[in-house]
Amino acid sequence: SAVISQKPSRDICQRGTSLTIQCQVDSQVTMMFWYRQQPGQSLTLIATANQGSEATYESGFVIDKFPISRPNLTFSTLTVSNMSPEDSSIYLCSVERGVGTGELFFGEGSRLTVL
Amino acid sequence: QQQVKQSPQSLIVQKGGISIINCAYENTAFDYFPWYQQFPGKGPALLIAIRPDVSEKKEGRFTISFNKSAKQFSLHIMDSQPGDSATYFCAARRAGAGSYQLTFGKGTKLSVIP
Repeated sequence: SAVISQKPSRDICQRGTSLTIQCQVDSQVTMMFWYRQQPGQSLTLIATANQGSEATYESGFVIDKFPISRPNLTFSTLTVSNMSPEDSSIYLCSVERGVGTGELFFGEGSRLTVL
Repeated sequence: QQQVKQSPQSLIVQKGGISIINCAYENTAFDYFPWYQQFPGKGPALLIAIRPDVSEKKEGRFTISFNKSAKQFSLHIMDSQPGDSATYFCAARRAGAGSYQLTFGKGTKLSVIP
């Protein structure tokens, strides 16, 4: 199993500001994934981050709003830009147990509250 | 459009009872159906998964029943324990999609009372 550490675990932010979430994995992985978990809603894939290439965004998510960095095989960041109360969610970093398995390991999440 | 519909939204079960959570899907191209368990303040963790070529899979007290013709699958927790109290998510993956591209249900909050 992979150990995934996220920072911050929670934060309260003001409308219009931006926040960067960090994700550190204890082993090298090709792909890292960012999910959003809105209150009472299902998990939604935001984007896939590959080291050395641009992140791939799912429908409804754009780079200007959720810029992602992937500087190496164990680390990624997700920035939530120009936040509004609608961005209040838990943001989860995830990796796959093995390529093609579909089995995901998740970090503990970063709970953002936007006032 | 919600492609995986999960019910109930919440469930209260007595200790020792059977917890049953149901999911229904629309896309016949789904080929992998996992269940994730999430405790408060933690990320989801894979609990059990099934592929559509089998109708049932059992791991300990947890069983997935799969009905391909009805496009439904369910999680049964036998002898439910207070430690099983968590939110459970069903999910589905479309064949040919990235293996990580799961469509999740909205979750069921299970409370097992002593």
